[in-house]
Amino acid sequence: DAKTTQPPSMDCAEGRAANLPCNHSTISGNEYVYWYRQIHSQGPQYIIHGLKNNETNEMASLIITEDRKSSTLILPHATLRDTAVYYCIVRALHGSSNTGKLIFGQGTTLQVKP
Amino acid sequence: NAGVTQTPKFQVLKTGQSMTLQCAQDMNHNSMYWYRQDPGMGLRLIYYSASEGTTDKGEVPNGYNVSRLNKREFSLRLESAAPSQTSVYFCASISNEQFFGPGTRLTVL
Repeated sequence: DAKTTQPPSMDCAEGRAANLPCNHSTISGNEYVYWYRQIHSQGPQYIIHGLKNNETNEMASLIITEDRKSSTLILPHATLRDTAVYYCIVRALHGSSNTGKLIFGQGTTLQVKP
Repeated sequence: NAGVTQTPKFQVLKTGQSMTLQCAQDMNHNSMYWYRQDPGMGLRLIYYSASEGTTDKGEVPNGYNVSRLNKREFSLRLESAAPSQTSVYFCASISNEQFFGPGTRLTVL
């Protein structure tokens, strides 16, 4: 599985957009980019995933560069409840011996401030 | 639809004792996973099961055994607990999306 690199921490003002970057320069053609977050000591929560097109759901948007070597998770209007550790993971879904395996890195601690 | 359930929520063991952590999912997913998370650290994969009847080692399998009893259940066993196994253990059930259980907080004295 390709490795990812994320900044260890970021701050964001409440109500503003939070943009969390992730580098995955060794990503393979069959690997998707997944984002999760973990609030305090709860189990990780799935946010969004994508292959090469930009994706949006009710929680966030995912912007993947054309060369797929990096991506950005966007929380459009961050709230205090979005304070969490955010993990970027690459994962193959089909046709690979690593199908489904999720390997977590250290993530980015996002602090949303009033 | 309860998602992923884990039992127990908390456990304290003495060194050398054994115990089994239980995990069950009701989403008919093929893949299930066990992770541990030490304080201030990310999750590390212990074992996973891509489908019923199969299990594979993850990043940190030493000291653990697993059983995929059926499609719903995936248990993690500590045969002889050690203080280094003090951690929070998360079970996950995975298809295109992933669902994590609430965790089991284990302390080994």
